[in-house]
Amino acid sequence: KAGVTQTPRYLIKTRGQQVTLSCSPISGHRSVSWYQQTPGQGLQFLFEYFSETQRNKGNFPGRFSGRQFSNSRSEMNVSTLELGDSALYLCASSLFSNNEQFFGPGTRLTVL
Amino acid sequence: EDQVTQSPEALRLQEGESSSLNCSYTVSGLRGLFWYRQDPGKGPEFLFTLYSAGEEKEKERLKATLTKKESFLHITAPKPEDSATYLCAVQGNNNAGNMLTFGGGTRLMVKP
Repeated sequence: KAGVTQTPRYLIKTRGQQVTLSCSPISGHRSVSWYQQTPGQGLQFLFEYFSETQRNKGNFPGRFSGRQFSNSRSEMNVSTLELGDSALYLCASSLFSNNEQFFGPGTRLTVL
Repeated sequence: EDQVTQSPEALRLQEGESSSLNCSYTVSGLRGLFWYRQDPGKGPEFLFTLYSAGEEKEKERLKATLTKKESFLHITAPKPEDSATYLCAVQGNNNAGNMLTFGGGTRLMVKP
């Protein structure tokens, strides 16, 4: 089975721009979660989507949003980028909620 | 609010020198405790899930154990390829869905 894929792998943006990241879960997995990883804060939960519905949201500003499509693929969007948004953004999928999550390789976002 | 603390932050071992990593947690009703391995520039790789105190799981040179307040990852006769950051995460009853709360990780370096 193919693993979780994320595109793009690397991204450079400037302050004020917006960005969209994409995640394709493992085939058959219906839950997709997004995490932000930084050296200072570690891994932090952004949100989870299950059957196209947001189930849970972490403590991030409204500039961070996401959605899930009927084929379980997910996108996350960050608007009005700030320098502090530079991070590794990780997507994880699981069969259902409450199962082991399998992570993708991440998208490295650099905001200049 | 769920909290996870991992110690030590960094650990240097000689090849063959066994040791343990600690994960202390505070959670309102544990639904699951997860161990992941992360190599530089990659997404976390799933290792184990533990659900109740007294549970143990093994995989090659790794063994994970769980008590009501902490989990240990025991590494027996480590090899240089075991060098990585090991992450511990919990799911609690006060959060619906798949939200994971991560610790800061233990960076393990095994010298030949």
